[in-house]
Amino acid sequence: RKEVEQDPGPFNVPEGATVAFNCTYSNSASQSFFWYRQDCRKEPKLLMSVYSSGNEDGRFTAQLNRASQYISLLIRDSKLSDSATYLCVVRATGTASKLTFGTGTRLQVTL
Amino acid sequence: DARVTQTPRDKVTEMGQEVTMRCQPILGHNTVFWYRQTMMQGLELLAYFRNRAPLDDSGMPKDRFSAEMPDATLATLKIQPSEPRDSAVYFCASGLGGLSGEQYFGPGTRLTVT
Repeated sequence: RKEVEQDPGPFNVPEGATVAFNCTYSNSASQSFFWYRQDCRKEPKLLMSVYSSGNEDGRFTAQLNRASQYISLLIRDSKLSDSATYLCVVRATGTASKLTFGTGTRLQVTL
Repeated sequence: DARVTQTPRDKVTEMGQEVTMRCQPILGHNTVFWYRQTMMQGLELLAYFRNRAPLDDSGMPKDRFSAEMPDATLATLKIQPSEPRDSAVYFCASGLGGLSGEQYFGPGTRLTVT
């Protein structure tokens, strides 16, 4: 079983739609959680951290459920520019800076 | 605008040849990572350094891969001999370490081994 699992998609949604991605992690000692975004043939970039209380950044909302070991990302009012692959990322306790990346969920926003 | 730089951006080589990839981390970042990305496996951590000392290279095939940081401005990843299964995009990333999850990635080196 992979440490971080995501539905690869693709999720095809019309502009303006709301879309949600989930991610599960297997290591209960995981301490920190993040969403990264990767555009086609580009490098990954940090989108947002995920806090236990949930957090929002504009149209993006991230939530964490430690009991069920899953993380979610909600995108409201999707834009064409949101088309990308979204990587779920986890850091386990005691691993210093080491991050474990999911394989990503691809989002395609269409007109 | 500080960025991680990597060279070369693309590399095509024949099986058995040596490949060296270079990375210049962001000035002041004390942690440097090497990742490999393929469609099947996604992003895999190969090795990482803190203050130029290797902390973890368990993700790297030891018989053919080696990673070094000769100085704070240069990290290298070497494959010798290269094999077709090494074809992938190799990313270098740097960060400030600690609890932050922010790693700044370079543009990657796209390696094709024929």
